[in-house]
Amino acid sequence: AQTVTQSQPEMSVQEAETVTLSCTYDTSESDYYLFWYKQPPSRQMILVIRQEAYKQQNATENRFSVNFQKAAKSFSLKISDSQLGDAAMYFCAYRAAYNNNDMRFGAGTRLTVKP
Amino acid sequence: NAGVTQTPKFQVLKTGQSMTLQCAQDMNHEYMSWYRQDPGMGLRLIHYSVGAGITDQGEVPNGYNVSRSTTEDFPLRLLSAAPSQTSVYFCASSGLAGVPSYEQYFGPGTRLTVT
Repeated sequence: AQTVTQSQPEMSVQEAETVTLSCTYDTSESDYYLFWYKQPPSRQMILVIRQEAYKQQNATENRFSVNFQKAAKSFSLKISDSQLGDAAMYFCAYRAAYNNNDMRFGAGTRLTVKP
Repeated sequence: NAGVTQTPKFQVLKTGQSMTLQCAQDMNHEYMSWYRQDPGMGLRLIHYSVGAGITDQGEVPNGYNVSRSTTEDFPLRLLSAAPSQTSVYFCASSGLAGVPSYEQYFGPGTRLTVT
C-alpha cells in the first residue's frame, strides 16, 4: 500500500525567508503524481504544485518549488520569500497514474509565518 | 462555474441518527470521491465513483453508503451516526472523459459532530 509521511508536524519561518517542508512516500509503482496542497483556516484545499514522476525536472510555481528525488522517494516543498498569507496546513499527496480517485495524503505540516 | 459544492457546511447529529451529505460538481468530471479529515491523520478516502452508476470502497468505508445516479451528484449517507464519525468531510472530483487528469478539485468541506 502506498503511504505518505510528513515528519514535521509544525514549522515556522520569518517573513521573507525560505522554508522547506519534507515529505517521503512509499510505492512500488513507477508512474505516479505527487502534490502539495495548502489548507488555510477556511478549510479549502488549494493545490500548490504538482510533479509527474516521469519528469526529471523539478516543478516550480512562482515562489514554490519542489525537490523531487525519485530514487529516495522524497518530495520536499520549498517556499521562498515567505509571506504572511502562506501560513496554513500543508499536505503532501500521492496518486498512482492509473487511479484517478485514490489520493493518499500525509498527516500535514502546520506552517507559521512570523512578521 | 461553481466547481465542487457541498452542503451543509456544519452539522450536529445525535448518535444513531442518519443523514446525507450532499456533493455536486458542474465540471462534467467522471471521477468523484469522499474523504474524511481527522486531526493528525490527513485525508482518508471513504468511497469513490468512476462514473454514473459505478462506486467502490476506499480506505475507510464502514458506516457510509454512496450512490451516483448522475454525473453531477455524489451524496454520502451516514446510516447510523457514531461519535467516531465526527470529522470534516471533503468531496472531490477530477477527470474529463478521455482527457488525462492530474489533481482533484475539492469542495469546501462539511464539519460533522456526532454527540
